[in-house]
Amino acid sequence: DAGITQSPRHKVTETGTPVTLRCHQTENHRYMYWYRQDPGHGLRLIHYSYGVKDTDKGEVSDGYSVSRSKTEDFLLTLESATSSQTSVYFCAISDSTGTLTGELFFGEGSRLTVL
Amino acid sequence: KQEVTQIPAALSVPEGENLVLNCSFTDSAIYNLQWFRQDPGKGLTSLLLIQSSQREQTSGRLNASLDKSSGRSTLYIAASQPGDSATYLCAVKTPDSSYKLIFGSGTRLLVRP
Repeated sequence: DAGITQSPRHKVTETGTPVTLRCHQTENHRYMYWYRQDPGHGLRLIHYSYGVKDTDKGEVSDGYSVSRSKTEDFLLTLESATSSQTSVYFCAISDSTGTLTGELFFGEGSRLTVL
Repeated sequence: KQEVTQIPAALSVPEGENLVLNCSFTDSAIYNLQWFRQDPGKGLTSLLLIQSSQREQTSGRLNASLDKSSGRSTLYIAASQPGDSATYLCAVKTPDSSYKLIFGSGTRLLVRP
């Protein structure tokens, strides 16, 4: 299994509070992604990173920000959580340099409930 | 805009049956296509990756094919087992520098003993 750790795995918070989810990888992969998964919507890309300090928006980026200060860590922040951000959040990594094929590997997910 | 569709949304088969899951995409310009398995409450597990220049990939009882010209991929599962019950998702990777994946909504498979 790819070395991807998400924390926290479960979190319940109240509307208006800030929340940060962390993704840590031990594979030294260049690309890191944050997806959210919701019934009826499938998996949707929030933000992604193509290197340290290099990030870009996905299709559902409003209300979210990210940071990547080290290769191994990718943080997703909800500045002021809303009930519509209740979801399961997945981190993923990939790389296509050298012998790597561009295959995407996922973490176990972080379940966030915003009351 | 790339769109990925998986039909059927759900499938129930008796144990031992061979089955095919379908994935279609609207833009043939893809970098690769990947099949995943997701068990309830779990993350996604990569099953097979097919590069755009390849026609198929095999792993054990699984075989995935890719026909870019028709925008289709199939996942063939031989001799299905109850342990194969899960949701299967396909995703295509865009050929631009972002390497983003666009996901289908998945097929929920139940293999009955």
